[in-house]
Amino acid sequence: DSGVTQTPKHLITATGQRVTLRCSPRSGDLSVYWYQQSLDQGLQFLIQYYNGEERAKGNILERFSAQQFPDLHSELNLSSLELGDSALYFCASSPAGRYGYTFGSGTRLTVV
Amino acid sequence: TQLLEQSPQFLSIQEGENLTVYCNSSSVFSSLQWYRQEPGEGPVLLVTVVTGGEVKKLKRLTFQFGDARKDSSLHITAAQPGDTGLYLCAYWTGNTPLVFGKGTRLSVIA
Repeated sequence: DSGVTQTPKHLITATGQRVTLRCSPRSGDLSVYWYQQSLDQGLQFLIQYYNGEERAKGNILERFSAQQFPDLHSELNLSSLELGDSALYFCASSPAGRYGYTFGSGTRLTVV
Repeated sequence: TQLLEQSPQFLSIQEGENLTVYCNSSSVFSSLQWYRQEPGEGPVLLVTVVTGGEVKKLKRLTFQFGDARKDSSLHITAAQPGDTGLYLCAYWTGNTPLVFGKGTRLSVIA
């Protein structure tokens, strides 16, 4: 157990639908990062939150949004889903500063 | 965005063999990290290298940061089936989240 909890582990949904992925960071970590992993693109950074505020944005589509709550857990919302959104979505957390990331086990999203 | 090239993309070897995988870029990095990802799991940090020419050892794994801090290598001695996984390098500039290479997928056959 890495200390980063992601739910659900698997999600199958239809095109056009909306889903919410949840992440609880490791205790004490203020930063939460969301990454998307596909076979051809590798791990792509989506968005970062630090202590409740958006800190950095990567290749995140406008159909996707995220937030970090006062208890530091984070949610990634994916809407108007397309087949190409099928991928592994990882959440990672870290303390402030130059530290490695601790990743959760990911959510495998399949859009059919 | 600076690009990290990892090679080889795939590697399949027999148990007991040695191997080296590479992480290269044309840019200079302040630090570089290596992660291993096993099927169904998230990446796990193995090591961070910071100083040019630095060598770090983790049991049978040896990590080296190039003198010019543009490249890094990971050498595994006497590979075991438990070493199977996706090896990722990543850089951190201090201002942006980690950027990952596409990884080397290693399979060690017993």
